[in-house]
Amino acid sequence: SAVISQKPSRDICQRGTSLTIQCQVDSQVTMMFWYRQQPGQSLTLIATANQGSEATYESGFVIDKFPISRPNLTFSTLTVSNMSPEDSSIYLCSVEDWRQLIRGETQYFGPGTRLLVL
Amino acid sequence: KQEVTQIPAALSVPEGENLVLNCSFTDSAIYNLQWFRQDPGKGLTSLLLIQSSQREQTSGRLNASLDKSSGRSTLYIAASQPGDSATYLCAVKRDNQGGKLIFGQGTELSVKP
Repeated sequence: SAVISQKPSRDICQRGTSLTIQCQVDSQVTMMFWYRQQPGQSLTLIATANQGSEATYESGFVIDKFPISRPNLTFSTLTVSNMSPEDSSIYLCSVEDWRQLIRGETQYFGPGTRLLVL
Repeated sequence: KQEVTQIPAALSVPEGENLVLNCSFTDSAIYNLQWFRQDPGKGLTSLLLIQSSQREQTSGRLNASLDKSSGRSTLYIAASQPGDSATYLCAVKRDNQGGKLIFGQGTELSVKP
């Protein structure tokens, strides 16, 4: 299984500012994903972080609001830009590797970043 | 568009009870279905994964079943314990090409000592 860490674990930010969340995996993985969990809601996929190319965004999410980087196979960042109170959520990184898929294993999730925007 | 629904939204039971959590999905063309546990302040922990060709999976006191044709899955927890208190999430995966997980809203379980 993959061990995933996220930084920061939580933050309180002022509206209009931006926050960059880091996701680090202890092994090389094929796929990295960013999810959002708004209060009282379930997880929604924001985008797939592609190594060496632009991220693939889901409907309703745009690069200007959620720029994503993935410089290598173990690290990714998600930036929440020009924040508003509606961005208050838990942001989770998850990973998946073709070797896991072959073994019938699942995606692994990081501990999440709790963001509160005032 | 795939939609995943979980019933009930919240459940409170006394310790020792057997319980069932329900998950339904609208599109039966899934690759697999997973049950996760989410504890406050922590990430998701995978409990059971059922491939589309399978009918059930078991791990300890947990048993998950899958009926793809009817778009339903259940998570059975035997002899519940206070440590089982958490939010349980059901998620379906569309395909094995890096397909995203589509989650239900979860069932918040509280097991009272």
